[in-house]
Amino acid sequence: NAGVTQTPKFRVLKTGQSMTLLCAQDMNHEYMYWYRQDPGMGLRLIHYSVGEGTTAKGEVPDGYNVSRLKKQNFLLGLESAAPSQTSVYFCASSSSRPGNQETQYFGPGTRLLVL
Amino acid sequence: RKEVEQDPGPFNVPEGATVAFNCTYSNSASQSFFWYRQDCRKEPKLLMSVYSSGNEDGRFTAQLNRASQYISLLIRDSKLSDSATYLCVVNLLTGGGNKLTFGTGTQLKVEL
Repeated sequence: NAGVTQTPKFRVLKTGQSMTLLCAQDMNHEYMYWYRQDPGMGLRLIHYSVGEGTTAKGEVPDGYNVSRLKKQNFLLGLESAAPSQTSVYFCASSSSRPGNQETQYFGPGTRLLVL
Repeated sequence: RKEVEQDPGPFNVPEGATVAFNCTYSNSASQSFFWYRQDCRKEPKLLMSVYSSGNEDGRFTAQLNRASQYISLLIRDSKLSDSATYLCVVNLLTGGGNKLTFGTGTQLKVEL
């Protein structure tokens, strides 16, 4: 099993450009999450999904959109990138089973630089 | 006040030493607690859950003090491979489901 994978691993954007980050998991998890990690700050939740076709806002959703068309994939979109979105983005997934929901499995991260 | 606070370190310790990290959380309704480990430029990985009675996993011991709202992690006989950032994570069950809040992490450097 590959676990959680993310594409791309690294990307440089110019201000105003758009891009989509792809997250895929092969563990049949119901729950998926997108976080960003910045120096001096903990991981912050951007958006999450509790099942195929459903999404919800996290702590810092502004400037991002998400879609969960298939259970195994969770896409994060930046419609008009800003320098403040320079960060490392982590996708994670977890089971929906009670007692297992809190254990999240993370992807390797996407490093995004917005110039 | 941050929801989860940790001393960022770094803690520089010699191989074989015992080192302890603390973490405090602000929401008394928090229900479950974890330590994650994050290596440099890698993703976080679950190290261990923290149970009310305290729990041990090999050289690692985690403890929870609900009255004082802090969590600790003790590492005995430190190895070079223990060098990493340790993230304190607190779970709060909300109307939207489980909400994990991550601390900023404590950096550990184990030296020869």
